[in-house]
Amino acid sequence: EIVLTQSPDFQSVTPKEKVTITCRASQSIGTGLHWYQQKPAQSPKLLIKYASQSFSGVPSRFSGSGSGTDFTLTINSLEAEDAATYYCHQSSSLPYTFGQGTKLEIK
Amino acid sequence: QVQLQESGPGLVKPSETLSLNCNVSGGSISNYCWSWIRQPAGQPLQWIGRVYPSGNANYNPSLKSRVTMSVDTSKSQLSLKLTSVTAADSAVYFCAREYSSSSGKVFDFWGQGTLVTLSS
Repeated sequence: EIVLTQSPDFQSVTPKEKVTITCRASQSIGTGLHWYQQKPAQSPKLLIKYASQSFSGVPSRFSGSGSGTDFTLTINSLEAEDAATYYCHQSSSLPYTFGQGTKLEIK
Repeated sequence: QVQLQESGPGLVKPSETLSLNCNVSGGSISNYCWSWIRQPAGQPLQWIGRVYPSGNANYNPSLKSRVTMSVDTSKSQLSLKLTSVTAADSAVYFCAREYSSSSGKVFDFWGQGTLVTLSS
């Protein structure tokens, strides 16, 4: 099973700040890495697919990069509505796995 | 746009079988693979398994002995059964569509989730 480790676990940031969340895979997964945003009492919403492709309708301030074992989600010019928990997910091999999540708090 | 809606009993007794359905609307159930994912309170997401329109399925090895998934294409409905439940199975259960392309697979649409609690 591929283990995904996110960092940090929690981050408190101010609006308009740039945020970077990383996800490291326990073995190479190519670009089979995706990022989701989950707000309280909601289902996860796809932000970035295949490491760097934006999903339809996602604001341009969200971007992703990386391949192999190291990946990054970047949020430029953070907005208050971006307060949420962010998860990475790999679909390179079964069983599919998720990172432990990064909770973003807006000051 | 495709919509998924989970349904089922919110309370299940220990050692019994958890049964959930997921209704798919706004798109064809026959053209995609469908997954079940769960999330215990305050914890990360866990993939339970996936089912193809043909009925073939892949399960998470950690749950494989207790899980059965099926598809009823005539009803546009997915089903999940988890036997011999314990407190560790209390979670919000989501169904999700697995979109497949030359780049790989990704969960592009999710249901809102249904909370299952164990109570004797």
